[in-house]
Amino acid sequence: DAGVTQSPTHLIKTRGQQVTLRCSPKSGHDTVSWYQQALGQGPQFIFQYYEEEERQRGNFPDRFSGHQFPNYSSELNVNALLLGDSALYLCASRPDRGYNSPLHFGNGTRLTVT
Amino acid sequence: KNQVEQSPQSLIILEGKNCTLQCNYTVSPFSNLRWYKQDTGRGPVSLTIMTFSENTKSNGRYTATLDADTKQSSLHITASQLSDSASYICVVSASPDYKLSFGAGTTVTVRA
Repeated sequence: DAGVTQSPTHLIKTRGQQVTLRCSPKSGHDTVSWYQQALGQGPQFIFQYYEEEERQRGNFPDRFSGHQFPNYSSELNVNALLLGDSALYLCASRPDRGYNSPLHFGNGTRLTVT
Repeated sequence: KNQVEQSPQSLIILEGKNCTLQCNYTVSPFSNLRWYKQDTGRGPVSLTIMTFSENTKSNGRYTATLDADTKQSSLHITASQLSDSASYICVVSASPDYKLSFGAGTTVTVRA
């Protein structure tokens, strides 16, 4: 049973460019969340998707957008990249009704903006 | 504002020794508290979950405690091993929207 998978694992982009990160949730999970983790910090919540709609959003600008597909996989898009967007981007999934269930995280995409 | 503060920021211990990590939170109303272990270059993995009525819970050499009155939790690692070297993150869930608040983590380095 595959866990949460993310692609690519590493990415280098130039300031001002756009990037798309991808996530496939754990089998049986329909809720996907995205997090940004700066070096030495805890994950910061970006947004959560359920039934192909953004259900919750953290304190991130509109440059950060996402999408969830009918198969529950998800994408995170970041436009007009800034140097400060360099971070590890984590995707996490859980069953929608599993409020006390742990989040299952992927191993992240390391984004470097130069 | 819901906040989670962890201490110490980092610590170094010798293999075989014990250590205790602290987590203080202001999240209210409280739903549950979970400790995650994050190895370098990997995503976090859940170690334990504590609900309001639970005071202590163990997972192998990891023991978590919760004092809901003082809003404090600790994670105790017994007989540390080199594989315990990781970041340990405290995550508190609020009620009723189950919004999560993450601590910055404690980085543990176990040396032989």
